[in-house]
Amino acid sequence: DAKTTQPNSMESNEEEPVHLPCNHSTISGTDYIHWYRQLPSQGPEYVIHGLTSNVNNRMASLAIAEDRKSSTLILHRATLRDAAVYYCILPNSGGSNYKLTFGKGTLLTVNP
Amino acid sequence: NAGVTQTPKFQVLKTGQSMTLQCAQDMNHEYMSWYRQDPGMGLRLIHYSVGAGITDQGEVPNGYNVSRSTTEDFPLRLLSAAPSQTSVYFCASRPLRQNTEAFFGQGTRLTVV
Repeated sequence: DAKTTQPNSMESNEEEPVHLPCNHSTISGTDYIHWYRQLPSQGPEYVIHGLTSNVNNRMASLAIAEDRKSSTLILHRATLRDAAVYYCILPNSGGSNYKLTFGKGTLLTVNP
Repeated sequence: NAGVTQTPKFQVLKTGQSMTLQCAQDMNHEYMSWYRQDPGMGLRLIHYSVGAGITDQGEVPNGYNVSRSTTEDFPLRLLSAAPSQTSVYFCASRPLRQNTEAFFGQGTRLTVV
């Protein structure tokens, strides 16, 4: 299975942009890149996903490197509510297109 | 549209007791799954199902049973609870078609004493 590597933790200030990196050097051509986040004491929630092109939605943007071996989740203006653990996942890897395998993710702290 | 509903939210069991964690979804999703999350860890897959009557083991299935008699419900059974099963349990569902988002319940915090 293709694996992802994320920093254990990152820190940001409120209302500043945040760039959360993810390395996935063994990604295959059909692997989509998904991001989920988990707010304190809650279940994970979907953030965004993409294949090759950069993607935007109301929550975040996803920038995917041209060689697809890395990606960056961008929160354009961090708020205190964005403090969470962010998970980068490749659900299509390993022959399954539905199982989500979670690593430890990146703990984002947002300072007021 | 309630999404994914887990009950109970909290539970304390004695070692050796049995119980069932309930999970229901009203989105007609084929795929449902159970995860456990231990302190400071990511989620680990226990069991999953791709439709009624079909279940399979995930990464950490020992000590847990599941069944899927309807599309809506996917209960997780602990036959003889052990302290090592103290954890937060999350249920998730999603459509089977590719690259759809998964929806998670709010979790069940289980303590086995």
